[in-house]
Amino acid sequence: GAVVSQHPSWVICKSGTSVKIECRSLDFQATTMFWYRQFPKQSLMLMATSNEGSKATYEQGVEKDKFLINHASLTLSTLTVTSAHPEDSSFYICSARGTANTYEQYFGPGTRLTVT
Amino acid sequence: GQNIDQPTEMTATEGAIVQINCTYQTSGFNGLFWYQQHAGEAPTFLSYNVLDGLEEKGRFSSFLSRSKGYSYLLLKELQMKDSASYLCAVRDNNAGNMLTFGGGTRLMVKP
Repeated sequence: GAVVSQHPSWVICKSGTSVKIECRSLDFQATTMFWYRQFPKQSLMLMATSNEGSKATYEQGVEKDKFLINHASLTLSTLTVTSAHPEDSSFYICSARGTANTYEQYFGPGTRLTVT
Repeated sequence: GQNIDQPTEMTATEGAIVQINCTYQTSGFNGLFWYQQHAGEAPTFLSYNVLDGLEEKGRFSSFLSRSKGYSYLLLKELQMKDSASYLCAVRDNNAGNMLTFGGGTRLMVKP
């Protein structure tokens, strides 16, 4: 089956620093990648949709200058949380949708971000 | 926009059957997904319905009624490992086939 990886799986950073999270599709090409955020005991909230080679589309209420998304290739998308604050602490999950099959999104294992 | 509702929590007994309901409102329905998510892990795909009826896959079944905007996930022969959150998600072809998730149902299976 299709595999999506994320790196790192968890990260602790100090307030004011930036953190980059990578999302890779390992065995398929992903034209579209999605970034979600999930707070404890809540469901996944879509942050943005990124298509390879074009600018990401951000959901309402998500600051594009704070959450920088780059989808430079068909197998890699990155999310950079700039000037992180404790309220940015969350579980960040990416998913990828392949070119051959738009039926299903394949989820990465998630990245736990803690900002101190 | 979309509105997806599912119960927040449910409790069931090991070996029993549990049904988790999901209702939705969407302008361009193009499929409904059920995912299982254990705490601290990413969601894993369980089922997909785009036509009315029941899809059975082992101990798990999912039902869809498009006219009623209703789906349910049926879990049979519950096991302790089934304790998890179950997420209903709807795909909207008026939104680039993007998935929108319901709030999730936390299922606790007790011995």
